[in-house]
Amino acid sequence: EAAVTQSPRNKVAVTGGKVTLSCNQTNNHNNMYWYRQDTGHGLRLIHYSYGAGSTEKGDIPDGYKASRPSQENFSLILELATPSQTSVYFCASGDREEQYFGPGTRLTVL
Amino acid sequence: QQKVQQSPESLSVPEGGMASLNCTSSDRNFQYFWWYRQHSGEGPKALMSIFSDGDKKEGRFTAHLNKASLHVSLHIRDSQPSDSALYFCAARDTGNYKYVFGAGTRLKVIA
Repeated sequence: EAAVTQSPRNKVAVTGGKVTLSCNQTNNHNNMYWYRQDTGHGLRLIHYSYGAGSTEKGDIPDGYKASRPSQENFSLILELATPSQTSVYFCASGDREEQYFGPGTRLTVL
Repeated sequence: QQKVQQSPESLSVPEGGMASLNCTSSDRNFQYFWWYRQHSGEGPKALMSIFSDGDKKEGRFTAHLNKASLHVSLHIRDSQPSDSALYFCAARDTGNYKYVFGAGTRLKVIA
């Protein structure tokens, strides 16, 4: 079965600190995605990638950077974390048919 | 306003009953639609996709798409307690692999 893993699963950060969320997929999918999930908003796309070395801005990219160093790995970087970035973050990989989501990372910024 | 709107926000149905979830898009470029299901503490998982007008049936689940009205629905017959979850509608246009999700419908099946 398709496998997407995320680390860490839980993270507490301080305001102004740097946070890196990591995602690994073993599906050999070209496309990877970062979403955040907040009550009332569903899943909102932050950044996505079509392959190693590429990153594209999603619908809410402000305050976030992304890095795709390889086919398997896709990172989300918060250079200066703020309390408004407290959320659950999901990574996904996808083909033409559907996306496969990881288990999520719960981030709390104090 | 979200490009993909779902209704109702929440829904309770008795075990064995029929659950009907709705999704409307405001973007005519969206041609492909999915339903995803998320159980508490997990990531969303794809239930089914629908790309053509009409019905698509997979077991107890039936999706219906009307591209003219940009409306897609999901009907779950013989609902089970294990169907209790958050259901998302997702849409994509033909030009890229960028998806837009609705805010979700929370389904509770009462035993």
